[in-house]
Order: sequence, then C-alpha cells, then structure tokens
Amino acid sequence: AQTVTQSQPEMSVQEAETVTLSCTYDTSESDYYLFWYKQPPSRQMILVIRQEAYKQQNATENRFSVNFQKAAKSFSLKISDSQLGDAAMYFCAHLGNNNDMRFGAGTRLTVKP
Amino acid sequence: GAVVSQHPSRVICKSGTSVKIECRSLDFQATTMFWYRQFPKQSLMLMATSNEGSKATYEQGVEKDKFLINHASLTLSTLTVTSAHPEDSSFYICSASDGYTFGSGTRLTVV
Repeated sequence: AQTVTQSQPEMSVQEAETVTLSCTYDTSESDYYLFWYKQPPSRQMILVIRQEAYKQQNATENRFSVNFQKAAKSFSLKISDSQLGDAAMYFCAHLGNNNDMRFGAGTRLTVKP
Repeated sequence: GAVVSQHPSRVICKSGTSVKIECRSLDFQATTMFWYRQFPKQSLMLMATSNEGSKATYEQGVEKDKFLINHASLTLSTLTVTSAHPEDSSFYICSASDGYTFGSGTRLTVV
C-alpha cells in the first residue's frame, strides 16, 4: 500500500520569503502521480500542483514548484514570494493506479506579515 | 477540467437519523467516484470507492452497512450515513473518477 509522510506539522514563513514543505512517499507502483493540495479553513481541496512520476522535469505553477526525487521518493513543495493568502493546510498526496488518493498528515503553513 | 458538485455543504442531524450526501459529476461521466472522511485536525482518509452499477469497495475498518453508497448513474454517487451518532461528525468529501478533482465537501454534525 502507498504511504505518504509529511514530517512538518507546522511551518512558518515571512511574507515575500520562500518556504519549502517536505514530503516523502512509498509505493510499489512504477507509474503514478503526486499532488500538493491547499486546504483553507473552508476545507475545500485546492489543487496546487501535480507531478507525473515518469516526467523527470519538476512541475512549476507560478510561485509554486516541486523538487521531485523519484529514487529517493521525495516530493517537496517550494513556495516563492509567500503571500498572506498562502496560509493554509497543505497536503501531499499520491494517486495510485486505481485513482485512489493517499494523503500525508498535512503541514499547517503560517505566513507572517 | 472536471467539475464535481457536492451537496449539502453543511448538515446537522439528530442522533439515530440518516443523512444522504450527494456527489455529482457535472461535465463528464464518472464510472468511479471516491469518498473520503476528514476528522478535525486530521488528514483525508479514503472510505470507499463507488462503482457505477455495482457494489462499492470499502476500505478496511469502514462499516459498509453504516455508510451506504449508491452509484446508480454515471453522474451521481450518494453516501448515506445511517443511524448517525456524534462520532460520525466529520467532513465528508468526494472525488471524481480522475481521482484528483474534489467536491466542496460536506460538514456533518450529529447532535
């Protein structure tokens, strides 16, 4: 079974600075997808970025980028130029071949003005 | 991309009653949908996989007789929490067959 580990329950960053959220996973599948979701207090799951495992190039979406290390099974999220609106829970997730999603425990990000 | 509509967004029910939550795919046909549960300050946990025209597949530890899933059409899956109790109070959220498009979730409070 797939497992996803987020070892940082809480992170804090100064506005306009950069922060990196860590994620590791374990899977026996060779082809899969990895995701980062943002969950604000409304609990809506907002897709931040996704990475296809067969692609070596790291995904980027504006201020959000990932560092995907397939051999190490690591998938960290970097947020550049942090904004107050980035404050939320962030979940790392693995999508398996059956399209079922496994989530990490989450990291609460605080952005200080 | 895919759009998933979930209803209701919030529901309060009395202990012992049943509550139905709907998950609709608005612009695509979904042969499969997924139901997750999120307790306060915890992560999302997969409860079951809803299969159109056949029985749902439940994760270990999830009571299939308590959480009834019906997927009678290609655009609608429903989750019914039967004989709800306060410990069933949680946030329930569904996702589409692509696995990564989520509905807006339902906050269930059982009093």
